[in-house]
Amino acid sequence: ETGVTQTPRHLVMGMTNKKSLKCEQHLGHNAMYWYKQSAKKPLELMFVYSLEERVENNSVPSRFSPECPNSSHLFLHLHTLQPEDSALYLCASSQGTSLSTDTQYFGPGTRLTVL
Amino acid sequence: SQQGEEDPQALSIQEGENATMNCSYKTSINNLQWYRQNSGRGLVHLILIRSNEREKHSGRLRVTLDTSKKSSSLLITASRAADTASYFCATDAMDSNYQLIWGAGTKLIIKP
Repeated sequence: ETGVTQTPRHLVMGMTNKKSLKCEQHLGHNAMYWYKQSAKKPLELMFVYSLEERVENNSVPSRFSPECPNSSHLFLHLHTLQPEDSALYLCASSQGTSLSTDTQYFGPGTRLTVL
Repeated sequence: SQQGEEDPQALSIQEGENATMNCSYKTSINNLQWYRQNSGRGLVHLILIRSNEREKHSGRLRVTLDTSKKSSSLLITASRAADTASYFCATDAMDSNYQLIWGAGTKLIIKP
């Protein structure tokens, strides 16, 4: 659909679990993003990678750990999460030539529930 | 801090009517983008308008930008049931080269 896929689509985990979210883009883009979307709140940018280097980390708790092994793949490793971390986690990519102007292409998201 | 704020928060209209959503922002911008999100899905880019542009069209979409009032509007003409979605504006952040600043969105419902 948009060239950005995310797995899993739904995830339920306990506070002591460790899990990972995966994002893959098939668009040949150089920048990838993780966002958190909570109900009735603006999108919160978590991390930005450009050419596989992290260029933005918006004071995200260390229980969220990103990994970008190459320009097509992005992971978000989760451990010891809290119930307030329950949200829709969206991955996006862009060409990366001008990050604040680029059109961003989003994946369908992972609906995360922390029990 | 939140840059874009959409208004209204929710809008319900009959199919065929026009829908207008507004976005206000606080600081100077280089560009403003509108995105659509169907329920529980990712966002889809609709249109980008630059600060030196006043109006832009794409199909049934018309976007205006008034930099003196720090506001933008998105007009959808001849609405269809498939237009039911949430609509978000996003502006670039003058103090960051990497971020878009997002509003909380307008939830649009088109009644058949």
